Amino acid sequence: ILNVEQSPQSLHVQEGDSTNFTCSFPSSNFYALHWYRWETAKSPEALFVMTLNGDEKKKGRISATLNTKEGYSYLYIKGSQPEDSATYLCALRGSARQLTFGSGTQLTVLP
Amino acid sequence: GAGVSQSPSNKVTEKGKDVELRCDPISGHTALYWYRQSLGQGLEFLIYFQGNSAPDKSGLPSDRFSAERTGGSVSTLTIQRTQQEDSAVYLCASSYIAGTSTDTQYFGPGTRLTVL
Repeated sequence: ILNVEQSPQSLHVQEGDSTNFTCSFPSSNFYALHWYRWETAKSPEALFVMTLNGDEKKKGRISATLNTKEGYSYLYIKGSQPEDSATYLCALRGSARQLTFGSGTQLTVLP
Repeated sequence: GAGVSQSPSNKVTEKGKDVELRCDPISGHTALYWYRQSLGQGLEFLIYFQGNSAPDKSGLPSDRFSAERTGGSVSTLTIQRTQQEDSAVYLCASSYIAGTSTDTQYFGPGTRLTVL
């Protein structure tokens, strides 16, 4: 059974601030770690898929790192904008193909 | 191209009634997943279809839940004798299985089910 924890549960930042949040997992016995962004009333949007210790991925102002040895992944947003407001989900793919999700970090960027 | 679509977007039903939720995956995607998010909970896996293989039903919470996938495309999730605890957002996802561990699942917008 895969366990995924995300922190903080919610976060408010001012426009222009940089921020980060954490996905932690007690076991590195998984095939891939996924990050999604889920805006209200929209479909969850895939951001990154990472598999290897030390992986770093970047998409515009958003980046992510993976440390399987210490059991965490960080998601960073540089220069937050109001349109970044969403729930950010972390999920693990184990030997089965379905994803095990954390409870998410709800980000609100205040203008 | 078109993404994953789901219908209805919202469904309000009375306790004890049956409901059907529909998912149209991305064309060419061989894998289809159902998840749900109950209030205050994370996304929870329900069932997974891959090609002509038997579905993985390990996430279905009770025998009132069933799903089928016709012709390897459209899927219907059926909940019989709905209970208030079935109220949730039901999400469908599809992916193209390329034989790697990094297949991305693409999600639909979900169906919000409310059981009164």
